Amino acid sequence: EAQVTQNPRYLITVTGKKLTVTCSQNMNHEYMSWYRQDPGLGLRQIYYSMNVEVTDKGDVPEGYKVSRKEKRNFPLILESPSPNQTSLYFCASSFALAGVPSSSYEQYFGPGTRLTVT
Amino acid sequence: GIQVEQSPPDLILQEGANSTLRCNFSDSVNNLQWFHQNPWGQLINLFYIPSGTKQNGRLSATTVATERYSLLYISSSQTTDSGVYFCAVESQGGKLIFGQGTELSVKP
Repeated sequence: EAQVTQNPRYLITVTGKKLTVTCSQNMNHEYMSWYRQDPGLGLRQIYYSMNVEVTDKGDVPEGYKVSRKEKRNFPLILESPSPNQTSLYFCASSFALAGVPSSSYEQYFGPGTRLTVT
Repeated sequence: GIQVEQSPPDLILQEGANSTLRCNFSDSVNNLQWFHQNPWGQLINLFYIPSGTKQNGRLSATTVATERYSLLYISSSQTTDSGVYFCAVESQGGKLIFGQGTELSVKP
């Protein structure tokens, strides 16, 4: 089954304790992206990747890191989480054409990770 | 940066009614997508529609890129259509900007 998986689905942690949220897709998609969703603010892009070893900042990258060492995986790393990073996080993937400006297509979303930082 | 505005912010319908959701954007875009987030939080892609018109069952979408808007039509609405509808635009390679969404509630 074609899917995007995220782990964990729910996480409660404390301020400053490093954490990683994994994202994996089995559709051989070039493009992967992380979003956070907050009440009243909608969905905002954190980071995206057009292909392996290529990552770019979205609208709200502060406090987050990503890596794209393999095509299928795109982990989101919070080196020192803070309470303002409490949110619902989504990973997504799509096909893309390398080197073409308009290059992401229909996005497939993971189930979401609800993170609470106390 | 590019602004994306959706209207209306909320919509309540009786089952069987039709509706039109609008997405305006402030600058030229490379592509536009519509998504549905169901009451359980799952996000589903409805349309990839940088221009023109597409139809999928009771849903259809039209994007007029030159006038910077897109419309999502829902006909014969069902309770399962409830949720939040988002449009998102890509203004440069890979960077997506989402609208605030339209929250739809379909009553039986």
